[in-house]
Amino acid sequence: DTEVTQTPKHLVMGMTNKKSLKCEQHMGHRAMYWYKQKAKKPPELMFVYSYEKLSINESVPSRFSPECPNSSLLNLHLHALQPEDSALYLCASSQDGWDTQYFGPGTRLTVL
Amino acid sequence: KNEVEQSPQNLTAQEGEFITINCSYSVGISALHWLQQHPGGGIVSLFMLSSGKKKHGRLIATINIQEKHSSLHITASHPRDSAVYICAVANAGGTSYGKLTFGQGTILTVHP
Repeated sequence: DTEVTQTPKHLVMGMTNKKSLKCEQHMGHRAMYWYKQKAKKPPELMFVYSYEKLSINESVPSRFSPECPNSSLLNLHLHALQPEDSALYLCASSQDGWDTQYFGPGTRLTVL
Repeated sequence: KNEVEQSPQNLTAQEGEFITINCSYSVGISALHWLQQHPGGGIVSLFMLSSGKKKHGRLIATINIQEKHSSLHITASHPRDSAVYICAVANAGGTSYGKLTFGQGTILTVHP
């Protein structure tokens, strides 16, 4: 199984809502990532988890809160987002931080 | 100047043509990645290179560490190759664990 799954595929939320994005992999990978991608731009790294511990936070606003409950699962909790946070949110995983990254299909987020 | 520069930004080809996309970088790296992203879709890792050349089907990737340059070649191009191709480098150094620096991408369109 070389798949990274993400749910939901699409999410529309208001600025006062709280929602969560979910990412799952069963490849035994020890590094997991959240990226944000705006249209016609490359992905921007948000967070890196290594062995279930947060190792990189790219100065992401606190309205984005990552969580790694176990080695297969990565969540991104969203609260009080702004319309400019609308984007494709991609999850990825790799065997370790120096290895090939496998990307999920992404969650298309729209903040109204 | 970006740390990772790709050229061309846009590329149009006729089916069957040989295609080359270039990537230059300015930092020390541990590896270089070539990624493919179809419209509206997730990202697929094509190659991870630290030296020499790799081939997979009609795709060939080369890297010259001394010149800080990599190329992605597509032989006998096909309309299904139409996608955005992204070069990304893994910076050398322990503090860069898991962190990729992305080029701006090359939009490839192959016409039948």
